[in-house]
Amino acid sequence: ETGVTQSPTHLIKTRGQQVTLRCSSQSGHNTVSWYQQALGQGPQFIFQYYREEENGRGNFPPRFSGLQFPNYSSELNVNALELDDSALYLCASSHIAGVGETQYFGPGTRLLVL
Amino acid sequence: GQNIDQPTEMTATEGAIVQINCTYQTSGFNGLFWYQQHAGEAPTFLSYNVLDGLEEKGRFSSFLSRSKGYSYLLLKELQMKDSASYLCAVRVDSNYQLIWGAGTKLIIKP
Repeated sequence: ETGVTQSPTHLIKTRGQQVTLRCSSQSGHNTVSWYQQALGQGPQFIFQYYREEENGRGNFPPRFSGLQFPNYSSELNVNALELDDSALYLCASSHIAGVGETQYFGPGTRLLVL
Repeated sequence: GQNIDQPTEMTATEGAIVQINCTYQTSGFNGLFWYQQHAGEAPTFLSYNVLDGLEEKGRFSSFLSRSKGYSYLLLKELQMKDSASYLCAVRVDSNYQLIWGAGTKLIIKP
């Protein structure tokens, strides 16, 4: 158990809809990173939030957006869902305190877009 | 561009030793991580290397050569529960983001 929680665990949506995924970081961690993992692939970095500000973004379109709250929990929002958005969405929390910081993952949200 | 290569699948026998290799070509380097991921679950942290050499942690060891862009994860005394995917990830310089390999699926046979 990493202390990182995500909700919901599973979700089914239809193409064109919008979805919000939530993540609560581990106590003491101020950074949340979001990843998309397709079946049989490694995670792909979506973006990272540090102290409520976006701290880096991967190669994902603007319809992927996020927020971080004062308690360091975070949301991932995806608009205009496409079939290819079907994947496991992982959040990872960490405490940026130098290059040795390790990311701890939540259990993930499995999203299916029909 | 960023590229991390790992073998897709490996098979080993219970009680044996296996070495999973990872080669990387990235725009920067600020450390290499190994994670274990069981099917349908989230990745769990195994090891971190930022300097050349071997880091040992129980049955698992990880090695790094920065000049060769190469790392390996060594698993000893294999157990059936070690059947999982093993992911290699590199932190590049900017924004602490991790670039991930596709993972190596390790199958342990009795």
